[in-house]
Amino acid sequence: NAGVTQTPKFRILKIGQSMTLQCTQDMNHNYMYWYRQDPGMGLKLIYYSVGAGITDKGEVPNGYNVSRSTTEDFPLRLELAAPSQTSVYFCASSYGTQTYEQYFGPGTRLTVT
Amino acid sequence: DQQVKQNSPSLSVQEGRISILNCDYTNSMFDYFLWYKKYPAEGPTFLISISSIKDKNEDGRFTVFLNKSAKHLSLHIVPSQPGDSAVYFCAASARETSGSRLTFGEGTQLTVNP
Repeated sequence: NAGVTQTPKFRILKIGQSMTLQCTQDMNHNYMYWYRQDPGMGLKLIYYSVGAGITDKGEVPNGYNVSRSTTEDFPLRLELAAPSQTSVYFCASSYGTQTYEQYFGPGTRLTVT
Repeated sequence: DQQVKQNSPSLSVQEGRISILNCDYTNSMFDYFLWYKKYPAEGPTFLISISSIKDKNEDGRFTVFLNKSAKHLSLHIVPSQPGDSAVYFCAASARETSGSRLTFGEGTQLTVNP
């Protein structure tokens, strides 16, 4: 099993550009999450999903959108990129019930200039 | 409002000694706590967890202690090894109100010196 995979690993965007961060998991987990980590800070939840077709906002959703059309994929869309979105983005998944351990991907380092 | 706080940004210990990482929380609804370990350029990996009905959970060299009255938990690593050098995140969940969502602390950089 590959676990949680994320693409790309690195990306530089200009202000106002858009992009999609890809996330795929092969563990048949129902729950998926997107976090961002800024330097010296913990992980902040952007959006999460409890199953295909169901998404909800986390702590810092502004400037982002998500969709969940399949169990495996949970892409994160950035519209009109801003310097404040410079961060490392992590995707995670979990079974969601009985156990609350989340499994993380390797991250995408995004710079907006 | 930082509901989970790790007050020590860094900790340095000698190989073979005990490492103690601390975490405080403010939300009394939190009932499940986890520790994650993160190496540079990798995602966090789950280390150990504890439910609020327990005050201790042990897994090999790693032990987590929970003091609910003080809203404090700690991770003990004994003996510490150079490979334990990483950032450690404390996380908490309020399962009844927030389901599987986790709230993370800021992290503590542990350095184990040979």
